[in-house]
Amino acid sequence: AQRVTQPEKLLSVFKGAPVELKCNYSYSGSPELFWYVQYSRQRLQLLLRHISRESIKGFTADLNKGETSFHLKKPFAQEEDSAMYYCALRGSGNTPLVFGKGTRLSVIA
Amino acid sequence: NAGVTQTPKFQVLKTGQSMTLQCAQDMNHEYMSWYRQDPGMGLRLIHYSVGAGITDQGEVPNGYNVSRSTTEDFPLRLLSAAPSQTSVYFCASSYGFGSGELFFGEGSRLTVL
Repeated sequence: AQRVTQPEKLLSVFKGAPVELKCNYSYSGSPELFWYVQYSRQRLQLLLRHISRESIKGFTADLNKGETSFHLKKPFAQEEDSAMYYCALRGSGNTPLVFGKGTRLSVIA
Repeated sequence: NAGVTQTPKFQVLKTGQSMTLQCAQDMNHEYMSWYRQDPGMGLRLIHYSVGAGITDQGEVPNGYNVSRSTTEDFPLRLLSAAPSQTSVYFCASSYGFGSGELFFGEGSRLTVL
């Protein structure tokens, strides 16, 4: 079974501080991992995916197969990063995306 | 190019009433899906479709029906609304089943009294 765990419902950090949003997954095969973001009054949208290995809005995420984790990191948080973040997994073959329960990030000025 | 359009944005129902949430996309996406978003529960998949005429159940399908007669439209029907179906519903689409990039609608907030 595919499962995504985001242990923190709410994460509050000060502006300029580092941010790490945790994501752990359970899947026996080789998954694809994604981070989605929902800003206030905006649509849920893809932030980044592990196969791209890119940095979006200063965020990066590395897939650690040994620890089955895909944590989202940013060295210096900005107020505009305040949003709801969802980690998602897609297993091999034709399987739908499975989302975690989400973490609300609040960046305090 | 409107992307994914959901209607209505807000709806209040009484227990036992039925209704249809509409979803349309203009990107010629093969894959469409419906999620519900509840506090503390994240996004849970209700139903999905990999193409016209093909639908399948997700994690929480009970109490909902879907059909896919065209590539563009994927309506979600509540047969007999219950308070437990109070939620925010999101329609999402992608180029294909294998694509991890879903394009979401703005959401439909449903309250069942």
